[in-house]
Amino acid sequence: EAGVTQFPSHSVIEKGQTVTLRCDPISGHDNLYWYRRVMGKEIKFLLHFVKESKQDESGMPNNRFLAERTGGTYSTLKVQPAELEDSGVYFCASSQDSRYTGELFFGEGSRLTVL
Amino acid sequence: AQSVAQPEDQVNVAEGNPLTVKCTYSVSGNPYLFWYVQYPNRGLQFLLKYITGDNLVKGSYGFEAEFNKSQTSFHLKKPSALVSDSALYFCAVRDSGSGNTPLVFGKGTRLSVIA
Repeated sequence: EAGVTQFPSHSVIEKGQTVTLRCDPISGHDNLYWYRRVMGKEIKFLLHFVKESKQDESGMPNNRFLAERTGGTYSTLKVQPAELEDSGVYFCASSQDSRYTGELFFGEGSRLTVL
Repeated sequence: AQSVAQPEDQVNVAEGNPLTVKCTYSVSGNPYLFWYVQYPNRGLQFLLKYITGDNLVKGSYGFEAEFNKSQTSFHLKKPSALVSDSALYFCAVRDSGSGNTPLVFGKGTRLSVIA
């Protein structure tokens, strides 16, 4: 069974440019989460999809971030325009269990560097 | 609000010695507690969790953790460390009574096991 896959693994862009990160969850997992880790800091929650619906987007930093999950399969996270403080590792995770007692399955992360 | 503290950025231990990675938490209700591990260039992997029941929880790769309600702690332990245990360890918590709130992570502790 394929795990959670994320693309690209690393992206280097200049301030003001746009970047789109993609996440393919484990097949059959309705729950999809985006998290971000700035170097040396906590892994912070961004948002949670259940199928194609946003269950919780309380962690999204501002309106420069747009997440979508059309059709309830893969998800994209777009940052437009990117700022220096957006640099970090963006993790995607999925789960079948929506009761919040189950484990999350994480991708390897997309490292974003904004210059 | 939920929070997790991992007081040590780095833990060094000799191979064969016992190891402890510390975690304390703060929630208003009862906690669901998790440990995840991140090996180099990999995504986070689930190690173990405490939901209810026995305070001593056993997980993958010989790791265990003890839930201590009075000290609000959930320290990760292993009786005999291996060099292959060297990785980044994250503690996470969710308040069981707060509905569908997301998992809150600590900032991580880097474990280095020296041969």
